Amino acid sequence: KNEVEQSPQNLTAQEGEFITINCSYSVGISALHWLQQHPGGGIVSLFMLSSGKKKHGRLIATINIQEKHSSLHITASHPRDSAVYICAAYTQGGSEKLVFGKGTKLTVNP
Amino acid sequence: EPEVTQTPSHQVTQMGQEVILRCVPISNHLYFYWYRQILGQKVEFLVSFYNNEISEKSEIFDDQFSVERPDGSNFTLKIRSTKLEDSAMYFCASIRSFGETQYFGPGTRLLVL
Repeated sequence: KNEVEQSPQNLTAQEGEFITINCSYSVGISALHWLQQHPGGGIVSLFMLSSGKKKHGRLIATINIQEKHSSLHITASHPRDSAVYICAAYTQGGSEKLVFGKGTKLTVNP
Repeated sequence: EPEVTQTPSHQVTQMGQEVILRCVPISNHLYFYWYRQILGQKVEFLVSFYNNEISEKSEIFDDQFSVERPDGSNFTLKIRSTKLEDSAMYFCASIRSFGETQYFGPGTRLLVL
């Protein structure tokens, strides 16, 4: 069983739709990353959060530590949001390595 | 904005050859990481490095792999005798201290023939 699970695996939306990607984890974590990976392969950090909610532009990330669950929301989605979104956890103890989910491939059609 | 850089961006090698992947972390960062992503799979942790020594390594990081920080700026991953299954994208990452955002390089795509 993966320590970090994401759903859905693939998501297709129409431009303007509200998007939600979910992440659940089974290990104790110190923080959670949401990352974006574009077709060329590069990885960009969107958010790091350990409690509550963070917002950046049209992106919102929330985390519920008790339920071991996080969500990434995209409001007013746009074709340029098309990418793979990855949830990754900093596990407690150790060297602050990241444990990754499998990613959610988002396609936003115009 | 400071960034992590990696060279080369692509490398093709023959099975059994040695490869060295290079990374230049952000200059005031202290903790360094290598991850890999086999095509179509999730990103996996390989090794973390701090204070000139390995702090943690995964099962993937066997005797064929080594890391080094030969000077104050470069951080290298060496694969001594490449196998077909080493074909993957390799990402370097760094952080200044625990609890901070991890910054990723653009990756090196390694193809072993």
